Amino acid sequence: EADIYQTPRYLVIGTGKKITLECSQTMGHDKMYWYQQDPGMELHLIHYSYGVNSTEKGDLSSESTVSRIRTEHFPLTLESARPSHTSQYLCASSRSRVGPYNEQFFGPGTRLTVL
Amino acid sequence: ILNVEQSPQSLHVQEGDSTNFTCSFPSSNFYALHWYRWETAKSPEALFVMTLNGDEKKKGRISATLNTKEGYSYLYIKGSQPEDSATYLCAFMGSGGSNYKLTFGKGTLLTVNP
Repeated sequence: EADIYQTPRYLVIGTGKKITLECSQTMGHDKMYWYQQDPGMELHLIHYSYGVNSTEKGDLSSESTVSRIRTEHFPLTLESARPSHTSQYLCASSRSRVGPYNEQFFGPGTRLTVL
Repeated sequence: ILNVEQSPQSLHVQEGDSTNFTCSFPSSNFYALHWYRWETAKSPEALFVMTLNGDEKKKGRISATLNTKEGYSYLYIKGSQPEDSATYLCAFMGSGGSNYKLTFGKGTLLTVNP
């Protein structure tokens, strides 16, 4: 069973606030990912990391930033939230072994609403 | 930008019916094709990771086939049950500069009526 956690599950916040979405996994996975999903749309990769101190931007441009100081922790930060950031954010991780076979394990997601 | 298409968008079937849906993906630079099941209020869970042309994988009543030359995969559910109700996502992983990133389709929402 996957052990990947996201907090908060739901967040309603006003414009201009700084927010951090937390993601932690206890599986020792080196690879971690953040996806954004708008209603009725695909999951889009916005950030990924292949290990501590490694972060890359994904395929969808995002104003958010990420950090990877510890293997198990991959937080996402929005310095100044805007209504356009309203979306669902999912965190995922996968095994370190190189290759196409590694399925991703997903957290439950954070549903963010910016008023 | 890679294009991964899933059809149909949604599907309603009766309990006991068998059903299938399609994932289309680029036929060039193929590396792997993932299928995930995403139940409401839960996390997406991996069903299959497929890598070889002609591959067929099975898990209980669910099976999947892969055609990398023409760029499609089918997911089959035999004797659908209400607990099969979920969104089924496919995701394409390309070779070369993709660095093992997944490109997802929009999913097929399956509802199985008792």
